[in-house]
Amino acid sequence: DGGITQSPKYLFRKEGQNVTLSCEQNLNHDAMYWYRQDPGQGLRLIYYSQIVNDFQKGDIAEGYSVSREKKESFPLTVTSAQKNPTAFYLCASSTFYRTSGRETQYFGPGTRLLVL
Amino acid sequence: GQQVMQIPQYQHVQEGEDFTTYCNSSTTLSNIQWYKQRPGGHPVFLIQLVKSGEVKKQKRLTFQFGEAKKNSSLHITATQTTDVGTYFCAAINSGNTPLVFGKGTRLSVIA
Repeated sequence: DGGITQSPKYLFRKEGQNVTLSCEQNLNHDAMYWYRQDPGQGLRLIYYSQIVNDFQKGDIAEGYSVSREKKESFPLTVTSAQKNPTAFYLCASSTFYRTSGRETQYFGPGTRLLVL
Repeated sequence: GQQVMQIPQYQHVQEGEDFTTYCNSSTTLSNIQWYKQRPGGHPVFLIQLVKSGEVKKQKRLTFQFGEAKKNSSLHITATQTTDVGTYFCAAINSGNTPLVFGKGTRLSVIA
């Protein structure tokens, strides 16, 4: 059963704490993305990665970090530098977007992060 | 950077009424995609438009891409409660940039 999994579904962070959100895909997609969604808001791109060991900042990368050591995995760390981390975090994947610019994105179920 | 503007932000309709959301860009787009996100869920791809003036239909949903490839619309005929959710357009204008999503239109359907 192919798809994207994100864990955990809910995550609570204490002040000053770093937390890592997991994203795994078995679609054999080259590109992976992290988005942040605030209530009633659209999708804002945090980071994206086209290939293993390479990633680029999106529109709101400050306070976040990522790694791409494996094709299947693209974990996102929300650092203590992110002062307002409460949001819904969505991971997505697609075929390598430079191929045609027409690749669609497949989203995981998301992780809701709350600050205690 | 490129932006796609989506209107309206919210739309409340009676069940059976029609609904339209619009997506506009100041630059020419290479393609446009539409996604639907149900309440509490994640965005799901609906359709992609590539050609100037293209029109595609999926049952009660009609998608259009403008002649100048700068705007697009999604029209739902005779809305049902299952249509509730947020509809996003997303586009790439050119080059090697990821999809840019509009802020979405949240549709509420009153039974």
